[in-house]
Amino acid sequence: DTAVSQTPKYLVTQMGNDKSIKCEQNLGHDTMYWYKQDSKKFLKIMFSYNNKELIINETVPNRFSPKSPDKAHLNLHINSLELGDSAVYFCASSPQASGFYEQYFGPGTRLTVT
Amino acid sequence: AQTVTQSQPEMSVQEAETVTLSCTYDTSESDYYLFWYKQPPSRQMILVIRQEAYKQQNATENRFSVNFQKAAKSFSLKISDSQLGDAAMYFCAYRQTSGSRLTFGEGTQLTVNP
Repeated sequence: DTAVSQTPKYLVTQMGNDKSIKCEQNLGHDTMYWYKQDSKKFLKIMFSYNNKELIINETVPNRFSPKSPDKAHLNLHINSLELGDSAVYFCASSPQASGFYEQYFGPGTRLTVT
Repeated sequence: AQTVTQSQPEMSVQEAETVTLSCTYDTSESDYYLFWYKQPPSRQMILVIRQEAYKQQNATENRFSVNFQKAAKSFSLKISDSQLGDAAMYFCAYRQTSGSRLTFGEGTQLTVNP
């Protein structure tokens, strides 16, 4: 069974389009995250939800909007896609928001904006 | 703000040999958590090892061990008996005890030569 899954794994789209990436975890964790990995492989936190409540909201364009319908799901919607949004987006989860816990990562979604 | 620095963009090692990857961090906290994650070509982020700052004993996981020097704010990863499957990008990461976000270093690309 896949612990943290993301769909789609690859996404190619044109500038100006709106797209969503979905994430689901079957680990029973309370906390979920979105990270962005840029072309230089640098990973940075974007958002985090704990029990459906937004707890981390980094300085990202407001074209990016996360939504957590329940604590097992965290989706990322991106409006008006730009070339600079091309990256790999990782979803992750952990048992709780704090504490000595591992974060479990999904397989990533490679987004290419043309 | 906390920062994590990996000064070696690339490293190589001969199969069966030992290699050490460097990581330094900056924080004003006295207690925190440190992690090493591995990202093979499959893109999956995999936890290698973790360390709690208040524990002086260095963490060990099979062939992987760390050298944690709290005063120097250094957290290096030693891989013994390197195997071809160890070839990957390795990321050092920091997390506050009260926080949930991981702050990553820039990564070190490890090549294992047969």
